[in-house]
Amino acid sequence: TQLLEQSPQFLSIQEGENLTVYCNSSSVFSSLQWYRQEPGEGPVLLVTVVTGGEVKKLKRLTFQFGDARKDSSLHITAAQPGDTGLYLCAGRYSGAGSYQLTFGKGTKLSVIP
Amino acid sequence: NAGVTQTPKFQVLKTGQSMTLQCAQDMNHEYMSWYRQDPGMGLRLIHYSVGAGITDQGEVPNGYNVSRSTTEDFPLRLLSAAPSQTSVYFCASSYSLQGGEQYFGPGTRLTVT
Repeated sequence: TQLLEQSPQFLSIQEGENLTVYCNSSSVFSSLQWYRQEPGEGPVLLVTVVTGGEVKKLKRLTFQFGDARKDSSLHITAAQPGDTGLYLCAGRYSGAGSYQLTFGKGTKLSVIP
Repeated sequence: NAGVTQTPKFQVLKTGQSMTLQCAQDMNHEYMSWYRQDPGMGLRLIHYSVGAGITDQGEVPNGYNVSRSTTEDFPLRLLSAAPSQTSVYFCASSYSLQGGEQYFGPGTRLTVT
């Protein structure tokens, strides 16, 4: 079983602060996705990254894929209460079974007004 | 389009009872999967299907059965419920086996007493 480590597990910050969430593996990803999940709902895709070194921006969210495609980060600038939720990274590994997604355990973010 | 629908939303079972969690999608996706989500464990793949008539096991398949008679439906059966199966269950579908967004249903919260 491939392991995908996500950190931190919990994060509580004040509105307006910046934060970074990390996703790491010892294996190479063919692609990596970030999802956001709100209480009582299913995860919703935020972004997919496929190229080493790729950077994607979604308003105040910046996603980076490591050069070696073994890690990724999500940076939120000037966090808002509406950013509160569970952030999940999910990777597809190269090779057999590459259509299966492996999820990290998630980062539970609370943004305090 | 309704997307991915799941029923029921909530369910309480006694140990040893059986039940079927329903999942349907109206996006003509070939790939469907079932996950369970437990606190601190992230999403873990139970079973998946790459098309009608084709299913395979994921990371945690024990105690669960699936079948895929149509493209639209992918029910999950609990044969003899155990307290360890208390969890939130998510069904997901995707148009691509190699990448692309997974669309999740709203989840079924199952409690086994």
